[in-house]
Amino acid sequence: GQNIDQPTEMTATEGAIVQINCTYQTSGFNGLFWYQQHAGEAPTFLSYNVLDGLEEKGRFSSFLSRSKGYSYLLLKELQMKDSASYLCAVRPLGYSTLTFGKGTMLLVSP
Amino acid sequence: GAGVSQTPSNKVTEKGKYVELRCDPISGHTALYWYRQSLGQGPEFLIYFQGTGAADDSGLPNDRFFAVRPEGSVSTLKIQRTERGDSAVYLCASSVTSDNTDTQYFGPGTRLTVL
Repeated sequence: GQNIDQPTEMTATEGAIVQINCTYQTSGFNGLFWYQQHAGEAPTFLSYNVLDGLEEKGRFSSFLSRSKGYSYLLLKELQMKDSASYLCAVRPLGYSTLTFGKGTMLLVSP
Repeated sequence: GAGVSQTPSNKVTEKGKYVELRCDPISGHTALYWYRQSLGQGPEFLIYFQGTGAADDSGLPNDRFFAVRPEGSVSTLKIQRTERGDSAVYLCASSVTSDNTDTQYFGPGTRLTVL
């Protein structure tokens, strides 16, 4: 089975940097995804990691360590519109579906 | 191009009734997924289709839930004898294929409320 843990809530200030951590335990691993979800809206794709290391995409970066079962999403130059839930999801080996964590609600304040 | 669309956006029904939820995937996407999301939780996998066939239905909670995709495009999730515990947002996602590198793109969901 899979177990995915991420903090429930985080707060940060506009213009700052925030790191959202995700740890997972899975019997097999085939990629980790981060999605952003604003209240009442669809999850939108942010990043995908399958190899160890950092993937950078504009203000957002995602890091993966497969040996540690650990990932983080780094958001730079925070904007008010970044207030949302951030979902960590693992694709188990041999499966096409995703197993999601409960999400981290990020609140960005002025 | 158009994203994944779902109808209705909201559905209120009474306990015991039958409901159908529709998903229109992105054109050309062969894989289609249904998830269910309860308040404060991440999406939970229900069933996925590769083409017309259900490749994995292990997430369906019981036999009251059924889904079809007869022509390999639009899918319908059907729930019989609804219960209050079925209340949730039902999300549909699609991807180009079911390969492990393919990104799933989500629709806005259908919020189901069972009274």
